[in-house]
Amino acid sequence: DSGVTQTPKHLITATGQRVTLRCSPRSGDLSVYWYQQSLDQGLQFLIQYYNGEERAKGNILERFSAQQFPDLHSELNLSSLELGDSALYFCASSVEASGVRGNTIYFGEGSWLTVV
Amino acid sequence: DQQVKQNSPSLSVQEGRISILNCDYTNSMFDYFLWYKKYPAEGPTFLISISSIKDKNEDGRFTVFLNKSAKHLSLHIVPSQPGDSAVYFCAASGGSNFGNEKLTFGTGTRLTIIP
Repeated sequence: DSGVTQTPKHLITATGQRVTLRCSPRSGDLSVYWYQQSLDQGLQFLIQYYNGEERAKGNILERFSAQQFPDLHSELNLSSLELGDSALYFCASSVEASGVRGNTIYFGEGSWLTVV
Repeated sequence: DQQVKQNSPSLSVQEGRISILNCDYTNSMFDYFLWYKKYPAEGPTFLISISSIKDKNEDGRFTVFLNKSAKHLSLHIVPSQPGDSAVYFCAASGGSNFGNEKLTFGTGTRLTIIP
């Protein structure tokens, strides 16, 4: 158990709909990262928040948005969903802003999104 | 453009033998490399890393080798154990200041250890 909690674990929705994925970071972690893993793809970095502020942005579509709340949990909002948005969405957290030195990043179990 | 490539989607190795997982990268600005292990229904977990100033890093049964001139790294697992069966992701970071925090992942290699 990494200590990072993601909900829901599974979600099926129709094209054109909007969903919200939620992430609670490990206790004490200030950074939250969102990654997308599509079929046969590696994990694609979407966005990072640090202590409520956007810190880094990756390949995030304009239809997607995220935020980090004062209690440090984060939500990833996906709108106007398309079939190609079906993927596993991971949240990760770390204590500091620059948490890429490997062992400081902890991943949740992911949220499976299926768009039909 | 896939900057981190794992060209072998799967690998099967006999228990007790050496497992070698390979990874290639194209961005010469990457300066830190990591391997993550992922079991089904779990998130990736950190396994081992290496900085670009080194060419080898060892942690127990796991050794990562970095060949900067070839832009290639490999993960060696010796001896391989059934619990090593998982998907292994190679990841890299570096290349910019502001976006330096992000990790660029490969597509993963599914390792199966045969008892």
